[in-house]
This record gives sequence, structure tokens and C-alpha cells, in this order.
Amino acid sequence: GESVGLHLPTLSVQEGDNSIINCAYSNSASDYFIWYKQESGKGPQFIIDIRSNMDKRQGQRVTVLLNKTVKHLSLQIAATQPGDSAVYFCAEQGGANSKLTFGKGITLSVRP
Amino acid sequence: EPEVTQTPSHQVTQMGQEVILRCVPISNHLYFYWYRQILGQKVEFLVSFYNNEISEKSEIFDDQFSVERPDGSNFTLKIRSTKLEDSAMYFCASSDRLAGQETQYFGPGTRLLVL
Repeated sequence: GESVGLHLPTLSVQEGDNSIINCAYSNSASDYFIWYKQESGKGPQFIIDIRSNMDKRQGQRVTVLLNKTVKHLSLQIAATQPGDSAVYFCAEQGGANSKLTFGKGITLSVRP
Repeated sequence: EPEVTQTPSHQVTQMGQEVILRCVPISNHLYFYWYRQILGQKVEFLVSFYNNEISEKSEIFDDQFSVERPDGSNFTLKIRSTKLEDSAMYFCASSDRLAGQETQYFGPGTRLLVL
């Protein structure tokens, strides 16, 4: 069936460096993509989203890139901070208010 | 900032017992969801609810599961006869109906342990 998956299980970066987290999706009909951050013992926290009619969207210190040709989604975090340490999930949605399909998650570890 | 809340934060139950997990979605949201996350795994969709009825459910959401909106603020997930494999974190989420504002916001979760 359709799925969303992440390439790497863990990512370790130096504080202050930029982080890039990648995600592949397989449902070409998906039109909405979201990155969530999950800290230990907490629920997924919305970071940034992007619609299929866009290829880039920027937030505060975060940028999401969407490449529909290769069905690839990435999250860039600028000047990574210790507070960014968490598990990051990409998720896709096929239509407004429909279910989210999550990837497996990648752990971001920030070295001081 | 409005947020989704869930109670209890932890629930321990014996296999075969019924449990009810409670959620208070964000007040102006009209779509409600339950997801679960088995330890170390990805978040999985269970069910979505709109206008007092289920709008979508996964194959995980079998006859042992039910959802209810008993009043204007609460949204509940009931598991009638719990199994060991029901042990997981259960997350409630809600979203607005308006186009362009359908981001799903998640609660902190209920950790369910079935013994």
C-alpha cells in the first residue's frame, strides 16, 4: 500500500550547524505534507507544512522543501539548538481533514 | 494558545477490561481523530470523527473500539476488552474545517499499559 518513510533513523549534528532531515513518500495523490516534532513523552507538535502546489516554504529557522518529481520531502533546521533534539516525523494527507499517514521517525541529536 | 488535552496521562489495566480514554479538542475545531503509537514505532491512524459520526477508520479500529462525543467538549475512545497488544500511546488530535486551516493538532497522549 501507499506509505511514507524516512531514509535515516538517527541524525547527530553539532550545535549551531544546519540540519537536514529527509523523507520519501509514495502516494502521488497526497496534496498536503507536514513535519511534526515529538519530544520524549509528548504528542507530535506541528512544525511546518507545505501543499503540493508549492516546492518550498519557510518558517522561523525551518524550511520545508517538496520535490514532487521524486516524491521527496525535506526539513531544514538552521542553526540547530539543543532544544531541537527530538524525533521528527513527516506525514502526508490525501485530502482536507483526512487521516495523516506518518513516516517512521528520525531522531535528531544535537551535540553541544 | 488553545491546545488539545487528554486524560488520564497513564492508564494501567488488566487484559479483558474496558478502558475509556478522554480528550478535549480545541474548542472551535470540528474534526477529531485518534491515533496510537506503539513504543518505538510510528504514529498510526485509528479513526476520524466529524458531525457526530465516524468519517474514516483504519483496520486497527475493529469492533472492540468505539468513539463518542458525549457532550460539546469531550471526545472519547473506548476499548471494550483490552488485549496485550493494545498497549501503546494514544493520541487525540483535532482540526478546523476551514480550507487551509486543517492542520491536525495533537494532545499529549495517554499511555495505556495492558497487563
